[in-house]
Amino acid sequence: GAGVSQSPSNKVTEKGKDVELRCDPISGHTALYWYRQSLGQGLEFLIYFQGNSAPDKSGLPSDRFSAERTGGSVSTLTIQRTQQEDSAVYLCASSFGSGGPYEQYFGPGTRLTVT
Amino acid sequence: DQQVKQNSPSLSVQEGRISILNCDYTNSMFDYFLWYKKYPAEGPTFLISISSIKDKNEDGRFTVFLNKSAKHLSLHIVPSQPGDSAVYFCAASARGSTGGFKTIFGAGTRLFVKA
Repeated sequence: GAGVSQSPSNKVTEKGKDVELRCDPISGHTALYWYRQSLGQGLEFLIYFQGNSAPDKSGLPSDRFSAERTGGSVSTLTIQRTQQEDSAVYLCASSFGSGGPYEQYFGPGTRLTVT
Repeated sequence: DQQVKQNSPSLSVQEGRISILNCDYTNSMFDYFLWYKKYPAEGPTFLISISSIKDKNEDGRFTVFLNKSAKHLSLHIVPSQPGDSAVYFCAASARGSTGGFKTIFGAGTRLFVKA
């Protein structure tokens, strides 16, 4: 079956512009996560959505970052007024419901470069 | 505040020998631990997990050991194969404020298996 997909795969933007990154989770997965991986660094948690509950935004680095999940499926991560330090690979993952810490299935990521 | 630490950025092992990847955590609320493997330009893929009520879980060549008192876990790969060369992430989960499970990842250890 289809895995987690992300678009675009690569995005180059100028400093100060807004960007939107999209994630299509696996059908039926109620949990969705966003992470980022900066060069040479590990996976940094950003935000997660669990069903209809309010998202856990505790990992968002600043108020320039926001995310939505429409209809419990597709999610969009928006970065406003991008800065060079936002350059990273942004990874999305999905998993089954809240009954347990199920394994996460990751998409291939979006590589964001802010010039 | 690194709640999950992988102190070895890289590890080199001869084919056929044992690879041991280590991970330490600080938050005693974590109750589920996972290892993920990542190849370049791909998202991480789930490898093996362990619940905090166990001290060992084995799956083929992969075994994860958990020492709760030391807040330490390790992944053993034996025998190591060149195809195991990848970045390995340790991850720990705890129920988050919104009811789902929040997962924190370590910085990763790059494993090189030499033929």
